[in-house]
Amino acid sequence: AQKVTQAQTEISVVEKEDVTLDCVYETRDTTYYLFWYKQPPSGELVFLIRRNSFDEQNEISGRYSWNFQKSTSSFNFTITASQVVDSAVYFCALSDPNSGGSNYKLTFGKGTLLTVNP
Amino acid sequence: DGGITQSPKYLFRKEGQNVTLSCEQNLNHDAMYWYRQDPGQGLRLIYYSQIVNDFQKGDIAEGYSVSREKKESFPLTVTSAQKNPTAFYLCASIPAGGSAYGYTFGSGTRLTVV
Repeated sequence: AQKVTQAQTEISVVEKEDVTLDCVYETRDTTYYLFWYKQPPSGELVFLIRRNSFDEQNEISGRYSWNFQKSTSSFNFTITASQVVDSAVYFCALSDPNSGGSNYKLTFGKGTLLTVNP
Repeated sequence: DGGITQSPKYLFRKEGQNVTLSCEQNLNHDAMYWYRQDPGQGLRLIYYSQIVNDFQKGDIAEGYSVSREKKESFPLTVTSAQKNPTAFYLCASIPAGGSAYGYTFGSGTRLTVV
């Protein structure tokens, strides 16, 4: 069975600090996708990144960066110079290879609530 | 603008009542999903549909029902058999060929039993 673990339930930082959100996953499949989503107080989930299991390159997008390490089954997310607007719940998710094709089901972690204080 | 519309935003249900949550998308996506979110929990899959007139149970389908009569619409009915329906419900969709951007989510419906 697939599993996604986000061990950090809540993180609180002061603005401009760097913060890393951890994600560890379990799957027996060799082909899968990993995702990060942001859920602001409004409730809608906002897509941040998708990474496939064959691409272990780190990704940087502005203040966001992602570190994918297959050897440790981790897909960590770092926000550099955090801002108050980054305050949200962040979810890591793993695609379900048994759902067939690309209409995949996602297994979500429980989320990390990030609070950035001014 | 294309997107997913969920209505209502807030819904109150009395004990023993069935209620239906609406999910409409104008993205021409083939697959649609319903997730339930409880405080401090991740999203758990209730039902999903990959094509019209076909749907499958997710991990927590008991007490819920769905229909997919049109590509654009995937309503979720919370029946009286669902013993703990108070939660935040999210609808999502994705094209048949997948997407580099993952799911598109609606803004959710918060259901409360009174």
